[in-house]
Amino acid sequence: GAVVSQHPSRVICKSGTSVKIECRSLDFQATTMFWYRQFPKKSLMLMATSNEGSKATYEQGVEKDKFLINHASLTLSTLTVTSAHPEDSSFYICSAPGQAYSGANVLTFGAGSRLTVL
Amino acid sequence: SQQGEEDPQALSIQEGENATMNCSYKTSINNLQWYRQNSGRGLVHLILIRSNEREKHSGRLRVTLDTSKKSSSLLITASRAADTASYFCATDGYGKLTFGQGTILTVHP
Repeated sequence: GAVVSQHPSRVICKSGTSVKIECRSLDFQATTMFWYRQFPKKSLMLMATSNEGSKATYEQGVEKDKFLINHASLTLSTLTVTSAHPEDSSFYICSAPGQAYSGANVLTFGAGSRLTVL
Repeated sequence: SQQGEEDPQALSIQEGENATMNCSYKTSINNLQWYRQNSGRGLVHLILIRSNEREKHSGRLRVTLDTSKKSSSLLITASRAADTASYFCATDGYGKLTFGQGTILTVHP
């Protein structure tokens, strides 16, 4: 079945540095990928939709200069948290439409990346 | 705005018992999906029910959908300790999935 690989699984960084998270579709092509953020014991919040070959679409309230998204190929999307601060600490999860349900948006998720900013 | 609201927020049962989780939503949908998340991991798709369906089964899972009440339920029968996880409903509003708050299920051996 469809597999989405996400790296790193955990990252700890100092305040002010930038962190890049990679999301790869391993056995299928993904023209679209979705980036979510999840707070402890909370739901997933859609941050942005990553589109191969074009600019990402950000949800209201998400700073595009803070969370840079690049979808360089049909199998790779990256999220860069720039000038990270402790409030950016969170669990970030990527996903891609990876299952064949006609007319339905069924997602295959990566394992997530736990970001801790000191 | 938050689309899916789940009830209960947490559920604790013994192995072998059934677990029922409910989800309510606000706007029209194309389909409703349920996902499972083990602690600290990504989500895994469990089952999808389309807006013109009322009930669907998959193994020990049974999902119902009542579009008139804008609600859905997920039943896990004969639960196992390995079913311990968070369960999320997600509404597909024609292109974008919106997730509920989730139910934390704990199954005690």
